[in-house]
Parts: sequence; C-alpha cells; structure tokens
Amino acid sequence: EDKVVQSPLSLVVHEGDTVTLNCSYEVTNFRSLLWYKQEKKAPTFLFMLTSSGIEKKSGRLSSILDKKELFSILNITATQTGDSAVYLCAVEYGNKLVFGAGTILRVKS
Amino acid sequence: SAVISQKPSRDICQRGTSLTIQCQVDSQVTMMFWYRQQPGQSLTLIATANQGSEATYESGFVIDKFPISRPNLTFSTLTVSNMSPEDSSIYLCSVGGTSGRRTDTQYFGPGTRLTVL
Repeated sequence: EDKVVQSPLSLVVHEGDTVTLNCSYEVTNFRSLLWYKQEKKAPTFLFMLTSSGIEKKSGRLSSILDKKELFSILNITATQTGDSAVYLCAVEYGNKLVFGAGTILRVKS
Repeated sequence: SAVISQKPSRDICQRGTSLTIQCQVDSQVTMMFWYRQQPGQSLTLIATANQGSEATYESGFVIDKFPISRPNLTFSTLTVSNMSPEDSSIYLCSVGGTSGRRTDTQYFGPGTRLTVL
C-alpha cells in the first residue's frame, strides 16, 4: 500500500503563478516530513517539518504540516522557470524514510 | 551542510559486468546511505553504510548483489554486481542530518546514472 502519496502527479503553470503541492501520508510512529527539489539527478533538501501548524519559509517557498489530517503542503509563490523540477516528499517513521512518487512541476515563460 | 561527490557521474555497462560507485564527503559523517531511483520512480533506500562493519540492507536488497564498503567516515563505495538491464537507475549517495538517526537524510550526492545494455 502507498504510505506517502503526492498530488498532483504533474502540473504546468505560467511564470508568476502560485502553486500548491500536496503530500499525504499514512504511517505509525511519525517522526518528520521532508521536502526536496530534484533537478536532473540529485535531490536538494528544502524543509523538514516535525510540528503541526508551524510554517517553514524560505524565500518564495513555504511549507506546513498537519499531523491531525496527515498531510503537508508546499507552496511556491511567483513561480519562475527555475522552479521547474520534481518535488519529492518523504516521511520518516519508525526507522524508515519513505519517499513519495513526486510532483513534476513545469513553469512556462 | 556536507558536500558530497560521486564517481562516475554516468556509465554504460554490459550485462553481466559489475560497476563500483564511489562516494566522498568533505567532512566526517556518521550515517551514509545508498539510494536507487529507477526510471520514472521515486527513491528507494538500498542500504545504510556502516563504518567498520557490514552494511545494513533494506528488504529486497542483498549483499551479494550490492556489496558496500565504508572504510572510514568520509568514504563509501557501492558495487552493482552481475548487472542486468533492470539495474539501470540513478544511484545516489546521501548523508544524514544532525540527529544521527539513519532516517535523517538531508544531503545527496550528484548521483550516478547507470545504463545496462
């Protein structure tokens, strides 16, 4: 069964748009949820979330976790073509780290 | 943050051969991990490379197929043995964050893209 589900699988937006990426999970012994940006090969760490309701922010990117409803969102405002990438969500639980399938974002100029 | 390098960055290999991938970190780290990302798939943990002892493999991965070395706190190798086309993937080395937990993976190397013909 899928423990970490990301949606949408892909989307195409225009520069300047705001996007919201979703990550839902169903695990026990939750420890943290991580977001990564993957361009070409190597994922780049964005955020680690451990507490509900506390927004993490870095420039135009922000993320928040809801441990009651078991999901997280990643927001990107004023998108740029350089934001085009695969965005990965991963959930750390027990002694495992499980990745979602990712959301492919394409930003058109 | 740790700076991680991997060699080779890509390779094309023949079926039945083996390839060793090297991972070098610019600082001593406790936890090092090897991941695989098959085409169109997300990342899957292969094993945790333990310094001075045998690697810890995840379900579905075995030492005979993916032998791992970790001679010190800055270096590890992953060998993909007796390759088949199904082994065509990106192989990524990663290191842990500050918690020391083996699941605290925050930094990845640039990856090795392997194609098996």
